[in-house]
Amino acid sequence: GENVEQHPSTLSVQEGDSAVIKCTYSDSASNYFPWYKQELGKGPQLIIDIRSNVGEKKDQRIAVTLNKTAKHFSLHITETQPEDSAVYFCAASYRGADGLTFGKGTHLIIQP
Amino acid sequence: GAVVSQHPSRVICKSGTSVKIECRSLDFQATTMFWYRQFPKKSLMLMATSNEGSKATYEQGVEKDKFLINHASLTLSTLTVTSAHPEDSSFYICSARTPTSGRPPDTQYFGPGTRLTVL
Repeated sequence: GENVEQHPSTLSVQEGDSAVIKCTYSDSASNYFPWYKQELGKGPQLIIDIRSNVGEKKDQRIAVTLNKTAKHFSLHITETQPEDSAVYFCAASYRGADGLTFGKGTHLIIQP
Repeated sequence: GAVVSQHPSRVICKSGTSVKIECRSLDFQATTMFWYRQFPKKSLMLMATSNEGSKATYEQGVEKDKFLINHASLTLSTLTVTSAHPEDSSFYICSARTPTSGRPPDTQYFGPGTRLTVL
């Protein structure tokens, strides 16, 4: 089955700086890669996703890049703000129709 | 994004009792919903895939007789934890998948989760 590795487990950045979280996946059949933000005691919130027919996608301060050859994808957050502090999970699946395999999560801390 | 609700948000029950958790997609029809389990400070683990009008598909290691799933309509899936024990205490989260023809297509939106505590 699919295995998703996520790094780092904790990331602390100064407010206004950029944050990058990286994930690798094992199953070459996976072609859908969403990113979720989870705040304490709440369900995951979809923040951006990418499908394997594109290499990059951007939505305001958030961007995701995908390298199919190397089987890795990354989340980039620019101009970080205190409200960006949360746990971020990457995930992978086939087409998005199947259940998601999640990475172990990254606790992002924005220092004021 | 699409809205998915769960009820209850928290439940405390005694060992041996059963608990039912509801998952609803509020603004789209979901032929497929998923149930995940999350332990404290851990990642989400897929338990089962719930398909409207058919039997659920369980992941390896998940007891189907313990975690009963019913997907009776295009907007509602239920998870019943039967004969609950303290080790079943966890955060249970559902997701609903938008239709392939939807906007966006084949995208999972999560509910707020249900915190189950078994005494």
